[in-house]
Amino acid sequence: SQQGEEDPQALSIQEGENATMNCSYKTSINNLQWYRQNSGRGLVHLILIRSNEREKHSGRLRVTLDTSKKSSSLLITASRAADTASYFCATDRGVGQKLVFGQGTRLTINP
Amino acid sequence: DAGVTQSPTHLIKTRGQQVTLRCSPISGHKSVSWYQQVLGQGPQFIFQYYEKEERGRGNFPDRFSARQFPNYSSELNVNALLLGDSALYLCASSLEALANYGYTFGSGTRLTVV
Repeated sequence: SQQGEEDPQALSIQEGENATMNCSYKTSINNLQWYRQNSGRGLVHLILIRSNEREKHSGRLRVTLDTSKKSSSLLITASRAADTASYFCATDRGVGQKLVFGQGTRLTINP
Repeated sequence: DAGVTQSPTHLIKTRGQQVTLRCSPISGHKSVSWYQQVLGQGPQFIFQYYEKEERGRGNFPDRFSARQFPNYSSELNVNALLLGDSALYLCASSLEALANYGYTFGSGTRLTVV
């Protein structure tokens, strides 16, 4: 079963706009990670935020984590056509050494 | 440096057959994990190996098995294939068993069972 629930399932915006994706999870975590997947191929690690962190930035990406609400958000600023992909959140509980993925958000950037 | 390499990239098998998928982790990475991704869903954990020992197993039947070799490469075997085994199989490597810096995934093997 999948722990993470991404919202929305699909998002379509114009190039240059910001895109926000949300992730909710059910159990305590060691860290939460975001991945990108293009056209059903391999996953690319974007950013990792630890359970004791509240916000993290990497280039045009901003991730927030609210452990009290068991939720995270990924913001992509100034979107580009190349950002078109599926985005997955994955929780790492630090036990059993596995990631538990959500079902993903399909992001489409329109030129 | 090469990333995580998986082979083959695609294959088609018949129900009841057996398949072996291969993965080479990033040089220096000692942990390899396998995930199954059915179309339209997120990846599901199958196995993790670290230093040639199984460190975790997901909720998959005994038809699924894996091993890790002394050079840290890994094989995933699936016996008695079912139509439902059709999926993208992803291999991920990390430096240690606890991936405190995230995982690096390969491009996957697309398995189609007919």
